[in-house]
Amino acid sequence: EVQLVESGGALVQPGGSLRLSCAASGFTFSSHEMKWVRQAPGKGLEWVSFVGSSVNNIHYADSVKGRFTVSRDNAKNSLYLHMNSLRVDDTAVYYCARVGGYIYGENWGYNANWGQGTLVTVSS
Amino acid sequence: DIQMTQSPSTLSASVGDRVTITCRASQSINNWLAWYQQKPGKAPKVLIYRASTLESGVPSRFSGSGSGTEFTLTISGLQPDDFATYYCQHYYTQPTFGQGTKVEIK
Repeated sequence: EVQLVESGGALVQPGGSLRLSCAASGFTFSSHEMKWVRQAPGKGLEWVSFVGSSVNNIHYADSVKGRFTVSRDNAKNSLYLHMNSLRVDDTAVYYCARVGGYIYGENWGYNANWGQGTLVTVSS
Repeated sequence: DIQMTQSPSTLSASVGDRVTITCRASQSINNWLAWYQQKPGKAPKVLIYRASTLESGVPSRFSGSGSGTEFTLTISGLQPDDFATYYCQHYYTQPTFGQGTKVEIK
């Protein structure tokens, strides 16, 4: 059974930094693309970042580009999101997701499995 | 960026009803479209991908159709467990989600 467990969410001041983690199990993590998706309180879903099975294939939403960095440690079956220069509008539940149906050069894959999410609150 | 316009934003229905949600893309997405269901306080769950392929384990009362820029999610015979918010999402390029449709009890 695929399991994704996020951690690291916290209350942080504007301008601060945070690192989120996602522990994966139940599938061959190193072979799968992964995504981060967030949801502000009471709002819809927003894609944040994509990382391919090869770390040379990384993409970010314009809203986080230059501030967030995604990484993965295949030996630890873990995905990370390093968040710097946090803003109030980064407040959200952050989900990691395993990508399904990915075809390089044709699509970015859908979110086949989701973690339970971790809450990041940016406030002074 | 490709924009996804989902309608309606809210839908009131009764158990047993046939329900249809529409999603329109601002340009062709080559049928790379997924539908998700989300219940309060829970993570989303994929129902449909590639516009019309039912995810394993999802009840057959859910179906997806459409092509090009117009897509629909249909629930044939709404069940109590189906009252939730539904999102479409394209994954042709940088992914974007529709605004969501909340299916409420009439």
